[in-house]
Amino acid sequence: DAGVTQSPTHLIKTRGQQVTLRCSPKSGHDTVSWYQQALGQGPQFIFQYYEEEERQRGNFPDRFSGHQFPNYSSELNVNALLLGDSALYLCASSGTSLLGEQFFGPGTRLTVL
Amino acid sequence: LAKTTQPISMDSYEGQEVNITCSHNNIATNDYITWYQQFPSQGPRFIIQGYKTKVTNEVASLFIPADRKSSTLSLPRVSLSDTAVYYCLVVYSGGYQKVTFGTGTKLQVIP
Repeated sequence: DAGVTQSPTHLIKTRGQQVTLRCSPKSGHDTVSWYQQALGQGPQFIFQYYEEEERQRGNFPDRFSGHQFPNYSSELNVNALLLGDSALYLCASSGTSLLGEQFFGPGTRLTVL
Repeated sequence: LAKTTQPISMDSYEGQEVNITCSHNNIATNDYITWYQQFPSQGPRFIIQGYKTKVTNEVASLFIPADRKSSTLSLPRVSLSDTAVYYCLVVYSGGYQKVTFGTGTKLQVIP
């Protein structure tokens, strides 16, 4: 079992651009959550996807959007990038709920110049 | 507004027991408390989860007092490999689930 995988590992973009990050959940998991972790801070919940729909959302603007595919993999899209969007973006998978154990991927390091 | 706070850092010698506290002042009846460990450049890893009183697994114990406004992660006999950042996580329910990670505690284990 490969666990949660994310791509790419690192990404450099400039302000105003758009970015798409990808996540494949752990085998058997149908729920994917996305987090933003700024340097030296704890992860901040962006949103959660279940059955191809956004189920929960944190305090993030509409520039942050996502998608879940029938195979449970997920994408995080960020439009009109700002310098403050530079962070480690973590994907976590779990079985149906936020209440249980979440398995995190290694993250995608996004740098906005 | 839900707020989850932890001490910024702690030092401990190898072989000692370490207790890390987390304050979650707005926790509600149905909310669970989960602790994660994170090494640099890696995603967090699950340690333990609890609802009330005490929970123990093979790596840690979690103590939750009756009012549930705080919790304590206990790591027995730490080793150098336990040097990491530890986060408590509360999923605040109440009609919807809001995920709030604590501020994180950087544990440094000293030889």
